Amino acid sequence: GQQLNQSPQSMFIQEGEDVSMNCTSSSIFNTWLWYKQDPGEGPVLLIALYKAGELTSNGRLTAQFGITRKDSFLNISASIPSDVGIYFCAGLFETSYDKVIFGPGTSLSVIP
Amino acid sequence: NAGVTQTPKFQVLKTGQSMTLQCAQDMNHNSMYWYRQDPGMGLRLIYYSASEGTTDKGEVPNGYNVSRLNKREFSLRLESAAPSQTSVYFCASSEGTANTEAFFGQGTRLTVV
Repeated sequence: GQQLNQSPQSMFIQEGEDVSMNCTSSSIFNTWLWYKQDPGEGPVLLIALYKAGELTSNGRLTAQFGITRKDSFLNISASIPSDVGIYFCAGLFETSYDKVIFGPGTSLSVIP
Repeated sequence: NAGVTQTPKFQVLKTGQSMTLQCAQDMNHNSMYWYRQDPGMGLRLIYYSASEGTTDKGEVPNGYNVSRLNKREFSLRLESAAPSQTSVYFCASSEGTANTEAFFGQGTRLTVV
C-alpha cells in the first residue's frame, strides 16, 4: 500500500535553532497536511497545502508542497521549548476519508 | 469548548474481554473517525463515518466494530480483545471531506494482557 516516509525520525536541537523536516512518498498527492502532537494529546493541524509549489506560513512554521507532488517540507524557525512534540505529515490524493495516509512522525526535542 | 471527548482515557483488558470506546463531538461535524496509533507507524484508520447513519472500513478494521449512534457520537467496540490491539486510540471529527481539518480527541491508551 501507499506509504509516507518522514525524516528525520527524531531530532534534538538547541532552543533558538531552526528546524527542517520532510515527508516523501512514491505516490502523488493533491493535499498535504501537517499535524503536531503534544505529549499525551491528540494531533492538531498546523498547516494544510492544496497546490503543488504552494508555500504557506503559520507563525514561525512554514510548509511547502513539493513541485513533484510526492513530497512536502516543514520548517520551524527560532525553536522554543513548546515546539516539543511529534510532527506528522499526512498525504491525500482524493477526498475519500480512507485515502488519508499518515507518516510515522518526526519527534522533536528542544534543549533550553 | 469541549471539542472531541473520548472515554475512557486508560483501560487494561484481559485477552478475550470486550469493551466499547466512546467518542462525542460538539462541533456539529458530519464526519467522524477512529484511528489507532502504534510506535513508529503513525495513525492508521480503523473505521470512519462520513455522515450520520453510515460507517465504512478503513485500513485496519479487523477485530473492531463501530456505531454512529447519532451525529454527535461514534463508538468503537472490541468484541474479543487481543494483545495486538494494545495501542492508543484516537477519535476525530471533521466538518467536510477528508482534506479538511480533523479535530482529534485526547486518546485512549488501551493495554490488552
